[in-house]
Amino acid sequence: DTGVSQNPRHKITKRGQNVTFRCDPISEHNRLYWYRQTLGQGPEFLTYFQNEAQLEKSRLLSDRFSAERPKGSFSTLEIQRTEQGDSAMYLCASSLGTASNYGYTFGSGTRLTVV
Amino acid sequence: TQLLEQSPQFLSIQEGENLTVYCNSSSVFSSLQWYRQEPGEGPVLLVTVVTGGEVKKLKRLTFQFGDARKDSSLHITAAQPGDTGLYLCAGEGRDSSYKLIFGSGTRLLVRP
Repeated sequence: DTGVSQNPRHKITKRGQNVTFRCDPISEHNRLYWYRQTLGQGPEFLTYFQNEAQLEKSRLLSDRFSAERPKGSFSTLEIQRTEQGDSAMYLCASSLGTASNYGYTFGSGTRLTVV
Repeated sequence: TQLLEQSPQFLSIQEGENLTVYCNSSSVFSSLQWYRQEPGEGPVLLVTVVTGGEVKKLKRLTFQFGDARKDSSLHITAAQPGDTGLYLCAGEGRDSSYKLIFGSGTRLLVRP
């Protein structure tokens, strides 16, 4: 198993464009999470999937953000009409269960720069 | 809203010195994790503490969970340049087992 894989690693886009990121979790992990990390801060929770069901969305996730996990495998995070404030590192993590019992495995992230 | 405050924010020390990083909250957490993050990479889990008063050791790193499960500390003995990185604490809320709340991190630089 190669861990959690995220693509692309870096994305530079013009303001107003749409972008999509992909996350491939560890294959047997049924839980998948998206976090956002800005410079000098810790990651902030965006959304959570258990299998294919999106069970929680943060208030940080505006209407321009949408996440999917078809068939409970890989996940995509799309940002429409990007704004400069969307510039951040987008992290995906997966786990077998709760953090207490299993811990999270994070991917290397996708760094988004909106110019 | 549950918050975690880490201190110090930055730490620059000489190789061989000892250091302690603190993670504090007014809220109770079900568990607390410590992660280390390298530039341009995702956080890597170091340890999970679950029981109040619990102490875990990982080579030169010692982690402690406060008795009331509101705070934690990370102590590094004889720091090495390879310990350089961003140390993040993250709490698992009592009402949401899937949402980790992260502190803002302690950036450690160990000079040779």
